[in-house]
Amino acid sequence: QKEVEQDPGPLSVPEGAIVSLNCTYSNSAFQYFMWYRQYSRKGPELLMYTYSSGNKEDGRFTAQVDKSSKYISLFIRDSQPSDSATYLCALRAAAGNKLTFGGGTRVLVKP
Amino acid sequence: GAVVSQHPSWVICKSGTSVKIECRSLDFQATTMFWYRQFPKKSLMLMATSNEGSKATYEQGVEKDKFLINHASLTLSTLTVTSAHPEDSSFYICSARDAGGKYIQYFGAGTRLSVL
Repeated sequence: QKEVEQDPGPLSVPEGAIVSLNCTYSNSAFQYFMWYRQYSRKGPELLMYTYSSGNKEDGRFTAQVDKSSKYISLFIRDSQPSDSATYLCALRAAAGNKLTFGGGTRVLVKP
Repeated sequence: GAVVSQHPSWVICKSGTSVKIECRSLDFQATTMFWYRQFPKKSLMLMATSNEGSKATYEQGVEKDKFLINHASLTLSTLTVTSAHPEDSSFYICSARDAGGKYIQYFGAGTRLSVL
């Protein structure tokens, strides 16, 4: 079993819909949670960074962390075709440098 | 925001030659930088972690003599693929950790290496 599980998709939604993404993890040592967006043949771009359970909102993006369930989510409101990309969750333990990535979910927002 | 510049974005080379990829943190100091490799439709695979002024730490299965990493300053790390072969063709991405902030990793745009 992978440390971080993420549905690969593709997830296809109409423009304007809410995109719902999630990751589950097994290691309770993970304390920091990030979501990155990656366009084809580009490097990942940081979208959200959280370190505690609860919600964090930034514009059209909302990140949720539930440490008790080991479950994190990213919601994208009013989705646009430009949101079409692969979304990666990344987790880090309190001690250490390394990020553990989910496999990524490919999202397609259709006009 | 924190910007990491990676150069070149695409390189084509002949088998047996060496290729150097540069990774620079433009507006912050990065005591730690990371090098990843990514295969098509796959997630990022960490190759090595480099700390400024010391030897890189390589992940299991990564040949340190094949992938030479130098982190000579707080803003520059380089990856040299030595004696490249077609199986080294891949997408290489660097990241830099902002030591002055929340230890977030910021990524470069990636380098596509094609070995003929």
